Amino acid sequence: DAKTTQPPSMDCAEGRAANLPCNHSTISGNEYVYWYRQIHSQGPQYIIHGLKNNETNEMASLIITEDRKSSTLILPHATLRDTAVYYCIVGLNSGGSNYKLTFGKGTLLTVNP
Amino acid sequence: DAGVTQSPTHLIKTRGQHVTLRCSPISGHKSVSWYQQVLGQGPQFIFQYYEKEERGRGNFPDRFSARQFPNYSSELNVNALLLGDSALYLCASRWTPTGGYTFGSGTRLTVV
Repeated sequence: DAKTTQPPSMDCAEGRAANLPCNHSTISGNEYVYWYRQIHSQGPQYIIHGLKNNETNEMASLIITEDRKSSTLILPHATLRDTAVYYCIVGLNSGGSNYKLTFGKGTLLTVNP
Repeated sequence: DAGVTQSPTHLIKTRGQHVTLRCSPISGHKSVSWYQQVLGQGPQFIFQYYEKEERGRGNFPDRFSARQFPNYSSELNVNALLLGDSALYLCASRWTPTGGYTFGSGTRLTVV
């Protein structure tokens, strides 16, 4: 699995956009980029994933660079409840066969009032 | 619709004992995975099961085993518990081959 690099921590003001970067320079052509977050003492929560194109859902947007070596997760209007550790994960999406999430240390996003 | 449910939520065991953790995936989800999360670290992959067959195993000793039942629920078993097995054990399931995993809230295991 490709390795990812994320800043250990970031701050964001409530109501502003939070932009979380992730570098995955060794990503291969068939590997997806996944984002999860984990609020203290809870299980990780799936946010979004993508392969090449930018993606948007009700939670966030995912911007993947054209060379796919980096991506940015955007929370458009951060709230205090978005304070969590955010994990960027790169891996194969091989359906029912051997597939695992390899978590790094993630980015602790703190949303301040 | 109920999410992924895990039981028990908390557990205290003594070194050398055996433990069984249980997971019920979201209805219709056939893929179940187990992760171990030690304090201060990201979750680490232990097992994946799909259609009742083991499809992946992480770098864990043979003291760790798991199985998936016909109703797609799953058990994680750990024998000869060590202090280092103290962790949050997470179960995750998913519906489609391309979707994200839904995690349960975990079982907090403390080995004393």
